[in-house]
Amino acid sequence: QSALTQPRSVSGSPGQSVTISCTGTSSDVGGYGYLSWYQQHPGKAPKLMIYDVSKRPSGVPDRFSGSKSGNTASLTISGLQAEDEADYYCCSYAGSYTWVFGGGTKLTVL
Amino acid sequence: EVQLVESGGGLVQPGRSLRLSCAASGFTFGDYAFHWVRQGPGKGLEWVSGISWNSDMIGYADSVKGRFTISRDNAKNSLYLQMNSLRAEDMAFYYCAKDRTATPDAFDIWGQGTMVTVSS
Repeated sequence: QSALTQPRSVSGSPGQSVTISCTGTSSDVGGYGYLSWYQQHPGKAPKLMIYDVSKRPSGVPDRFSGSKSGNTASLTISGLQAEDEADYYCCSYAGSYTWVFGGGTKLTVL
Repeated sequence: EVQLVESGGGLVQPGRSLRLSCAASGFTFGDYAFHWVRQGPGKGLEWVSGISWNSDMIGYADSVKGRFTISRDNAKNSLYLQMNSLRAEDMAFYYCAKDRTATPDAFDIWGQGTMVTVSS
């Protein structure tokens, strides 16, 4: 159960797009379609932004999109806004009723 | 209103036990799987344990296997985490999270968390 690999930080200016990667193995990211992304603002509980690789819960702006290729998943945020500044975590089902999170990425909106 | 409220956190000495609870309201508790996720001070999220809607399937992170036990009472709309042999590295905010479905998926509703401090 090794944590998925995410960049420690990414940044972008308002209106730009950023992509956060999430790399695992064929035993987690590459092996299942249960890949989700969470946004967490300081002092707050995480919020589900993407599930099943690319689906958005109701209420999540369509500026947020997800994809996967092989053992790597990606979260793309287009039209960056100040309120998007937060920590982002990927999470994958890893079989045998276990899940694994990524180490988290801090998004800074310049 | 859909809500999860955790309780039971606090200060505990290394080697001792603690039981966390999560009270659910605003939806049919028994229809969904649930999880515990923790976050150490200044650290990232770590999945701890999960339980299916009917308790048929249960999983644990390697870091807590053999020490923690997850359970649920659908009649009481409640989720529990029994934590034994606590270590300094178990110190964290513990979140209760609802799965989107009854089968493995994603965590769509989270509680506000309860803090567990392990210190002598």
